[in-house]
Amino acid sequence: DSGVTQTPKHLITATGQRVTLRCSPRSGDLSVYWYQQSLDQGLQFLIQYYNGEERAKGNILERFSAQQFPDLHSELNLSSLELGDSALYFCASSPEGNTEAFFGQGTRLTVV
Amino acid sequence: AQSVSQHNHHVILSEAASLELGCNYSYGGTVNLFWYVQYPGQHLQLLLKYFSGDPLVKGIKGFEAEFIKSKFSFNLRKPSVQWSDTAEYFCAVNFHGGSQGNLIFGKGTKLSVKP
Repeated sequence: DSGVTQTPKHLITATGQRVTLRCSPRSGDLSVYWYQQSLDQGLQFLIQYYNGEERAKGNILERFSAQQFPDLHSELNLSSLELGDSALYFCASSPEGNTEAFFGQGTRLTVV
Repeated sequence: AQSVSQHNHHVILSEAASLELGCNYSYGGTVNLFWYVQYPGQHLQLLLKYFSGDPLVKGIKGFEAEFIKSKFSFNLRKPSVQWSDTAEYFCAVNFHGGSQGNLIFGKGTKLSVKP
């Protein structure tokens, strides 16, 4: 157990819909990262938040957005969903300093 | 653009065989290097990491990796694999030495170990 909690574990939804994925980082970690893992693209960094502020942006679509709340949990919002958005979405968190990021179990999103 | 390449898509070995998985990255500046493992249906777990110092890094479960700066490589090795090492292995690079979760991952190498 990495200490990073993601909910839900599985999500099935229809095209055009909007979903919210939730992540609770490890206790004390200020940084939260979101990744998308798909068969064709592999693991892609989407976005990072640090203590409530957006810190870095990767290959995140405009239909996707994220935020980090005062209690440091984060949500990834995916809207106008397409079949190609079906993937495993991972959240990770890290403390300050030279250490690694810790990954959650992921949310498997299936768009039908 | 910054990129990470893993040379093998799928490696099949018998138990007790030696393992070497290749990883190369494109950038010549400061990097932090990681190998993660993903067992079937599970999350990514860190095997080992390199930030600085001794380029030969030892990780968990008997894995090690060698950073060769001149070759932009960070190959993963294990002298004798076990059936339980069956998993997917990802090399990841943090460029510029920034936030440690801001990683570029390789495409991954699936390792199948035959008992």
